Amino acid sequence: GAGVSQSPRYKVAKRGQDVALRCDPISGHVSLFWYQQALGQGPEFLTYFQNEAQLDKSGLPSDRFFAERPEGSVSTLKIQRTQQEDSAVYLCASSTGLAWGNEQFFGPGTRLTVL
Amino acid sequence: QQQVKQSPQSLIVQKGGISIINCAYENTAFDYFPWYQQFPGKGPALLIAIRPDVSEKKEGRFTISFNKSAKQFSLHIMDSQPGDSATYFCAASKDSTGGFKTIFGAGTRLFVKA
Repeated sequence: GAGVSQSPRYKVAKRGQDVALRCDPISGHVSLFWYQQALGQGPEFLTYFQNEAQLDKSGLPSDRFFAERPEGSVSTLKIQRTQQEDSAVYLCASSTGLAWGNEQFFGPGTRLTVL
Repeated sequence: QQQVKQSPQSLIVQKGGISIINCAYENTAFDYFPWYQQFPGKGPALLIAIRPDVSEKKEGRFTISFNKSAKQFSLHIMDSQPGDSATYFCAASKDSTGGFKTIFGAGTRLFVKA
């Protein structure tokens, strides 16, 4: 069965470049989350969608970070004018969003390296 | 108030031993406490989760103990196996409509010696 997929798996960008990271959630999953995981650290919440509505973007570190989910399925995380401190693994997760304890299913992540 | 503190940072256990990882939280609004397991190059995967009205939950070799008054919870892995070697994260969230804003601990790297 298809899980959460993310592309690209690896991305190398020069400082100042814009990048776009894609997440394909499990079909039918209402909720979608983006996390940033620095090396040796736990995932840090960035933003949360319920269908196409972005309900919480409090974790986005700056206005260079932007996420969208226009049709309530695929989501894109865009980082403008990348900086070295943006280097991390970006994880996407989805869940059914229907009841207590919804399991979040994570994708394998996109490893972003900013040179 | 949003932090989840996890210890130890790393843990080495003999095969067959018990692995114990501890976490503490501050925000009493949290009502969902999952543990995730992550292998290198993979995303985290849910292992087991508990709600605060239960003091213990067991699934196979994995047990969560929860102390609401102390705002602490722990993961016990019984009969630890080399295949359990991974990074473990505790987490907490206020579950409204889908696991809203999960806060993760910093992780514990477990190595089980054969």
